[in-house]
Amino acid sequence: GAGVSQSPSNKVTEKGKDVELRCDPISGHTALYWYRQRLGQGLEFLIYFQGNSAPDKSGLPSDRFSAERTGESVSTLTIQRTQQEDSAVYLCASSLQRNQPQHFGDGTRLSIL
Amino acid sequence: GQQVMQIPQYQHVQEGEDFTTYCNSSTTLSNIQWYKQRPGGHPVFLIQLVKSGEVKKQKRLTFQFGEAKKNSSLHITATQTTDVGTYFCAGPAMRRSGGSNYKLTFGKGTLLTVNP
Repeated sequence: GAGVSQSPSNKVTEKGKDVELRCDPISGHTALYWYRQRLGQGLEFLIYFQGNSAPDKSGLPSDRFSAERTGESVSTLTIQRTQQEDSAVYLCASSLQRNQPQHFGDGTRLSIL
Repeated sequence: GQQVMQIPQYQHVQEGEDFTTYCNSSTTLSNIQWYKQRPGGHPVFLIQLVKSGEVKKQKRLTFQFGEAKKNSSLHITATQTTDVGTYFCAGPAMRRSGGSNYKLTFGKGTLLTVNP
């Protein structure tokens, strides 16, 4: 596709359930980022992937959060045992290379009941 | 860690008025990027400034990067209703080696509303 694709666009789940969010970056983009955006707030960095290098997981808020990316393709962000404070929009972005402008997907709006 | 502050947090203007948002980083930046997020939308890249003191224009938008590469501003002349949204600045910290950290730190944004 032409842009970054994220799915699902909306996810409502009960507290304690696991969720998996998917990001399909722009073809050829080596860098991929996950951010969390709470209502009315800025973007909170979660994790960064660059090619086949080890990811930077320094932004993950707890060990309930994990992410994977195979090569330079799709990435999944998994949140285990969801809590209400996990409710937010999760944005994925990709860029041609590190430090290049980032292209964002439409995000996944996650609501924890 | 690196912090990026933006002021004001909110700005409401009458259509046709000018608007400015300011961005300040606690550390020297290798570059500054500006993004716009429309209500309900995702951030969209506007521009990147790299050089100290750099000024770039995009139609009614003027972007500046400070001499010390720690601050930046976005000025919109004669605002229009299509300018509504949140404007974010973001920058990677500069490493001691002179290179750039890949991690962008975003400011919390300035929400601009325009009264027609």
